[in-house]
Parts: sequence; C-alpha cells; structure tokens
Amino acid sequence: AQSVTQPDIHITVSEGASLELRCNYSYGATPYLFWYVQSPGQGLQLLLKYFSGDTLVQGIKGFEAEFKRSQSSFNLRKPSVHWSDAAEYFCAVGENNAGNMLTFGGGTRLMVKP
Amino acid sequence: NAGVTQTPKFRVLKTGQSMTLLCAQDMNHEYMYWYRQDPGMGLRLIHYSVGEGTTAKGEVPDGYNVSRLKKQNFLLGLESAAPSQTSVYFCASSYGFGEQFFGPGTRLTVL
Repeated sequence: AQSVTQPDIHITVSEGASLELRCNYSYGATPYLFWYVQSPGQGLQLLLKYFSGDTLVQGIKGFEAEFKRSQSSFNLRKPSVHWSDAAEYFCAVGENNAGNMLTFGGGTRLMVKP
Repeated sequence: NAGVTQTPKFRVLKTGQSMTLLCAQDMNHEYMYWYRQDPGMGLRLIHYSVGEGTTAKGEVPDGYNVSRLKKQNFLLGLESAAPSQTSVYFCASSYGFGEQFFGPGTRLTVL
C-alpha cells in the first residue's frame, strides 16, 4: 500500500526567508504527486502536481517542488515566504486507477514570523 | 460556478443520532469523494464514487454510508453517530484521474 510521510508537523520561518517542506512517499510504481494548501477554516487548494516529465514543477503562489525518485521525495520550496503563506500543507500520492484515490500525508503547519 | 459545496457547515449530534451530509458539484465531474480530517492524520478517504449510481469503500468506511443518485450530488450518512466520528468532513470531485477539487468542509461534533 502506498503511504506518504511529512516529517515536520510544525515549521516556523521568518517572513522573507526561504522554505522547504519535506515529503517522502512509498509507492511501487511511478507516483503521481500533489501538494495542497489549506488555510484556516478552508478547504484544500492545489498548489502543484507531478505526473511525468520535468522533475522540477512550478505551481501557484511562487511554489515549486522537485521529484527525486532515488530519494522517494517530493519536497516543496519557496524562495521567499510571505505572511499570507501561513497555512497547513499536505503532500499526496495518487494512483492512476479506476478510483483516482489519493493518499495524504499528515500535513505540515507553517507559521510565519514578521 | 460554485465549485464544490457542502451542507451543513457545522453540526452537533448526540451519540446515536443520525444525519446526512450533502455534497454538490457543478463542474460535471464523474468522480466524487468523502474524506475525514483529524489532527495529525491528514485526510483519510471514507467512500468514493466513479459515477452516478456507483459507490466504493475507501480507507475508513465503517459507520458511514453513501449514495450517488444524481451525478452532481454525493451524500454521506451516519446512521448512529459515535464520538469517534467527531471530525471535519471534506467532499471532493474530479473529472477522473488528476486534481481533486475540495469543498469548504463540515465540522461535526458528536457528544
């Protein structure tokens, strides 16, 4: 069975600093990977996704992620964090099967210091 | 377009009561999903549907039932609520494989 691990439950960064959120997955075949963001009291919004091709993918709000097969990782990065980036971030792995089911990591809560 | 909407937004139940959560989408998506979100556990799939009239179990289906009588609606039922079902419930939909679009969530408390 596939699984997703986000090792950092909480991360605090200063506004303007760089950010990297870690995601490791376990999946037998080529994974389909997603990063979602959830602002307080809101649903989930897709930041970016990787299906195939270039292993560095660009998303919305200045985020990017890099797929590294050898490390089974799909870490999310942003060069300069803004206060509005404070939220919870979820990594997910999907199966290209009849159900299109996603398996989510436990999430990382990002706090931004002024 | 409203996207994915969920009714109600909040609900408090007593143990043993029943209720139905409604999810509606106006994007003509084939696939729909119900998740529950608990602290530190991310989202876990309860049930899903790949088309009108079809449903299937996800990771944590016990204590829940679903129905997809119309393509745009996906109902989640709790027949006899338990405190362990206190959670935030999210509905999502997708065309098929790929991005899932999420509703705003329903916060359910079972006393």
